[in-house]
Amino acid sequence: GAVVSQHPSRVICKSGTSVKIECRSLDFQATTMFWYRQFPKQSLMLMATSNEGSKATYEQGVEKDKFLINHASLTLSTLTVTSAHPEDSSFYICSASDFGLAGPYNEQFFGPGTRLTVL
Amino acid sequence: QKEVEQNSGPLSVPEGAIASLNCTYSDRGSQSFFWYRQYSGKSPELIMFIYSNGDKEDGRFTAQLNKASQYVSLLIRDSQPSDSATYLCAVTRTGNQFYFGTGTSLTVIP
Repeated sequence: GAVVSQHPSRVICKSGTSVKIECRSLDFQATTMFWYRQFPKQSLMLMATSNEGSKATYEQGVEKDKFLINHASLTLSTLTVTSAHPEDSSFYICSASDFGLAGPYNEQFFGPGTRLTVL
Repeated sequence: QKEVEQNSGPLSVPEGAIASLNCTYSDRGSQSFFWYRQYSGKSPELIMFIYSNGDKEDGRFTAQLNKASQYVSLLIRDSQPSDSATYLCAVTRTGNQFYFGTGTSLTVIP
């Protein structure tokens, strides 16, 4: 299957700072990338969907000004957690898909995740 | 009503037994159905997908889809301790909208 990378894999930061997480599709062009958050022992929570070259679509309850998403190219999307607080500590996972290839049956390819700890 | 519902478990089966994981979905227009496995602290990995009624087999895994009952299941034959993980059911409608269930935790007891 296709490969999606995330960087960094783990980050610890102080409260009030901003953290940027990168998601890259390494061997395919991702027309759509998804950002998820997962708290311990809970399921994936979709935060936003981003399509290359357009604004991200945020899920209800996700602050777009706090979680800035940029999908500037077909292989790169970034999530910036601005003014991070301890309650933002979570496992952030991106996924990517190219829905232009085979119709509606394309799977999502997940990145390995980024564990964010805000002190 | 949630888009996708799964029994959170935990489900425990002895090694070598068949594990049966179930998922129901609310939208009859749903088109594709995916099963992902997630180990603790890791991101999900795709096991298999199905979009036609009936069974689809891949090694020890069989996905079963019944669109009339809005039900999809995953059977794991000859369960191994390495199968212990959380299994996520995902459903898509048109386009690129995925809906994930909350996952079922499976423990295979040696």
